[in-house]
Amino acid sequence: EAEVAQSPRYKITEKSQAVAFWCDPISGHATLYWYRQILGQGPELLVQFQDESVVDDSQLPKDRFSAERLKGVDSTLKIQPAELGDSAMYLCASLRPHTGELFFGEGSRLTVL
Amino acid sequence: QQQVKQSPQSLIVQKGGISIINCAYENTAFDYFPWYQQFPGKGPALLIAIRPDVSEKKEGRFTISFNKSAKQFSLHIMDSQPGDSATYFCAASRGGTSGSRLTFGEGTQLTVNP
Repeated sequence: EAEVAQSPRYKITEKSQAVAFWCDPISGHATLYWYRQILGQGPELLVQFQDESVVDDSQLPKDRFSAERLKGVDSTLKIQPAELGDSAMYLCASLRPHTGELFFGEGSRLTVL
Repeated sequence: QQQVKQSPQSLIVQKGGISIINCAYENTAFDYFPWYQQFPGKGPALLIAIRPDVSEKKEGRFTISFNKSAKQFSLHIMDSQPGDSATYFCAASRGGTSGSRLTFGEGTQLTVNP
């Protein structure tokens, strides 16, 4: 079965460094999401794309976070500079059309030292 | 503002028992209520979902009960198994099939003892 691919699975960085996460959604899924999940909490939406366009980035800390999906397929989430509080799991998800069903990748675990 | 409140935070049941997790929501515009299961180190996986036009939905050992007037919904896991041990998240959105933002509860860590 097709899956949402994410990389890297784990990233350790020092604060003030730049980090980037990559996501490849399930083929044919036009809607893509980036969520952040702090340990012990539920995922929180950072940004939603419809094809290459941003639909909702109201919760994205735009001073340090950026996201793009240039060709409407894979997507990159960047953090620059990373802060200690950014330590979390960054989850990518794509939406099966007309169902409301989100399929999540395995996530990218970020640790900021 | 926490729009979806989930309880309990953790739950321990014996194999074969019934696990019950509850969620309450505030936004009456929500019209799609999924439950996700998450194992350590993995992303959440859709378990079962309900829309407010029905009061109950059952899939195998998993049942969602929905009370629109009380703005509450719950997940029941019948004949709980050790393999069900995971974190469960309720969620809610409006215009669910269109992919609008899902708001998640804070999760319930379920442990099923053998």
